[in-house]
Amino acid sequence: GAVVSQHPSRVICKSGTSVKIECRSLDFQATTMFWYRQFPKKSLMLMATSNEGSKATYEQGVEKDKFLINHASLTLSTLTVTSAHPEDSSFYICSARDNRIRGRADYGYTFGSGTRLTVV
Amino acid sequence: GNSVTQMEGPVTLSEEAFLTINCTYTATGYPSLFWYVQYPGEGLQLLLKATKADDKGSNKGFEATYRKETTSFHLEKGSVQVSDSAVYFCALSEGGTSYGKLTFGQGTILTVHP
Repeated sequence: GAVVSQHPSRVICKSGTSVKIECRSLDFQATTMFWYRQFPKKSLMLMATSNEGSKATYEQGVEKDKFLINHASLTLSTLTVTSAHPEDSSFYICSARDNRIRGRADYGYTFGSGTRLTVV
Repeated sequence: GNSVTQMEGPVTLSEEAFLTINCTYTATGYPSLFWYVQYPGEGLQLLLKATKADDKGSNKGFEATYRKETTSFHLEKGSVQVSDSAVYFCALSEGGTSYGKLTFGQGTILTVHP
């Protein structure tokens, strides 16, 4: 079945540095990628939606200059947390789908395993 | 806007116990409803779904019925196993311009002891 590989699974970085998180679709083409963030004991919050080759659409309240999303190919999307601060520490997870496949009642989402970011 | 509320966890059960995880939602239209499960170290996996009122989704012994009158989609299993230990997320998705966006509940941690 469809697999999304998310890397790294855990990262610790110093305040002020940037961190890149990658999501790769291994056996399908991800026309759309969703990036979520989860705070402790909170739900997964959608940060942005990106379509391959286009600029990402950010949800209200998400800083596009801080969370840079690149979706340059049908198999790779990256989220870069720039100038990270301790309040950016969180669990980030991606979800990919091929919008060209219609008729699936589950909308065809495939999730990565998530990245635990800790900024010290 | 849309929202999903799940019962707070963690939930701890003995093997073969009955499981219920409550989920209620608010939505402006007629959403599809999902339960996702996340096992340790893995991504979210679709467990079951229901796309219209009174639909019952089922998979691996888990069931949930789409109740429009109570805006609920409670997850149940008659006899849990240790291997069911995971985090469970209730979610909804609407069509139209929001097609493809999932709104999640906060997740419920389930631990099953032998």
